Amino acid sequence: EVQLVQSGAEVKEPGESLKISCKASGYTFTTYWIGWVRQMPGKGLEWLGIIYPGDSDTSHSPSFQGQVTISVDKSVSTAYLHWSSLKASDTAMYYCARESRDGNYVDYWGQGTLVTVS
Amino acid sequence: QLVLTQSPSASASLGASVKFTCTLTSGHSTYAIAWHQQQPEKGPRFLMRLNSDGSHSKGDGIPDRFSGSSSGAERYLTISSVQSEDEADYYCQTWGTGIRWEFGGGTKLTVL
Repeated sequence: EVQLVQSGAEVKEPGESLKISCKASGYTFTTYWIGWVRQMPGKGLEWLGIIYPGDSDTSHSPSFQGQVTISVDKSVSTAYLHWSSLKASDTAMYYCARESRDGNYVDYWGQGTLVTVS
Repeated sequence: QLVLTQSPSASASLGASVKFTCTLTSGHSTYAIAWHQQQPEKGPRFLMRLNSDGSHSKGDGIPDRFSGSSSGAERYLTISSVQSEDEADYYCQTWGTGIRWEFGGGTKLTVL
């Protein structure tokens, strides 16, 4: 069974750094792209960026380029989303998601990590 | 520019059918999409991939009452015999040059 299990909720102050995680299981981690999606309170889904764990090739949404960093640790089948300096506007739910091999669409989602910056 | 347009809200009575529409921008009518469901206070769940010819492949465990169809630039998700647990937001998603995952604004379903 494919599972993406994300780290727990975080409360941070503006200017702090943060790294949240997404641990994958049930499939070969290095052969599927994993992306990150933001959902601000009461709003829709926005794609942030994506990484291929096999070689750490990444692609970012032009709207979020330079604002977040995506990385992986293949040894523990985990993807990360990192902020170096949080802003109040980063307050949102963040989802990791696996991209299908059958096309550039999501076929599995994590449960989400709530980030509150205040 | 690749954009997906969805109506913000829909309603259906328990046991009735409901059809959601996702419209692709002009020039992108051959694109496939995916449908996702987000129940209240939960993460999204993949429902199906839907091709321009109406063929579709569903995710693991998705009930038979969920189906997809296409016409031109429109992609549809139909729920037959709506259940209370179907009350959720429904998002379409596509992909293209320069934007890996593009989401529609979502449609909120209210079950009456």
